[in-house]
Amino acid sequence: SDELTQPPSVSVSPGQTARITCSGNALTDQYAYWYQQKPGQAPVKVISKDIERPSGIPERFSGSSSGTTVTLTITGVQAEDEADYYCQSEDSDSTVIFGGGTKLTVL
Amino acid sequence: QVQLVQSGAEVKRPGASVKVSCKASGYTFSNYVLQWVRQAPGQRLEWMGWINGDNGKTKYSQKFQGRVTITRDTSASTAYMDLSSLRSEDTAVYYCARDGKEEGGFDPWGQGTLVTVSS
Repeated sequence: SDELTQPPSVSVSPGQTARITCSGNALTDQYAYWYQQKPGQAPVKVISKDIERPSGIPERFSGSSSGTTVTLTITGVQAEDEADYYCQSEDSDSTVIFGGGTKLTVL
Repeated sequence: QVQLVQSGAEVKRPGASVKVSCKASGYTFSNYVLQWVRQAPGQRLEWMGWINGDNGKTKYSQKFQGRVTITRDTSASTAYMDLSSLRSEDTAVYYCARDGKEEGGFDPWGQGTLVTVSS
C-alpha cells in the first residue's frame, strides 16, 4: 500500500516560517489534509484538500502541493503552534493513510 | 455545535474484546460517515475503518479485518467500534471522527478513549 513520509521534526524560532513536507505517490491524484495535535488532545484539521483553510484556523496556516509532495507552511510561528502535525490522504484502494507525523518545536 | 462524545477508558485482558461508543450531536447523524482512528502511545495515527451513518455500510483497514466491527444506532445517533482478540499492542487511544464530505478530511474528532490491554 502507499505510504506518506514526513520529517520527524522541524524546529523554528518564534516569528519565523515553518515548512513541513509530506511525500507519497498517492498525492499525485488524491487530496491531502493536515492535522494539528497537541499533547493529550485530539487532532484538529488545519488544511483541507491540499490548500483550503477551514474556518477558525488562523491565516498563518497555509498548504501547497506539487507532484508527490504537499507542504504545510506556518508563517510567523507562535509558541502555541508547537504540536505534532500529521498529513492524511487515501491510496488507490480508498484506504485512509496517515503520515508518520512531524513534531514542530518552537525554540 | 457539532460534537462527538466517546465512552470512557477501558482496561482489558489479552484475548478479550472492547466496545467503544461515539455519540454524535449537533448534526443529522445519517448524513455523514464516521471514521475510527487509533493512536498507540508515542505513535502515528492509524486508520481502522468507517461506517456510513445512513445505510450502515462499512469499510475496514486490512490490518484489522476480522477483528474489528463498526456498527451504528441511528435512533441514538451513536456509532460503535468493537475490537476483539485484544493483545498488548492494541493499547491505544481510540478516536472517532466525522468525515468532512465535500470539505474532506476528518472534523471534528471525539475526545478519544484510552484502551489498555494488560494481564
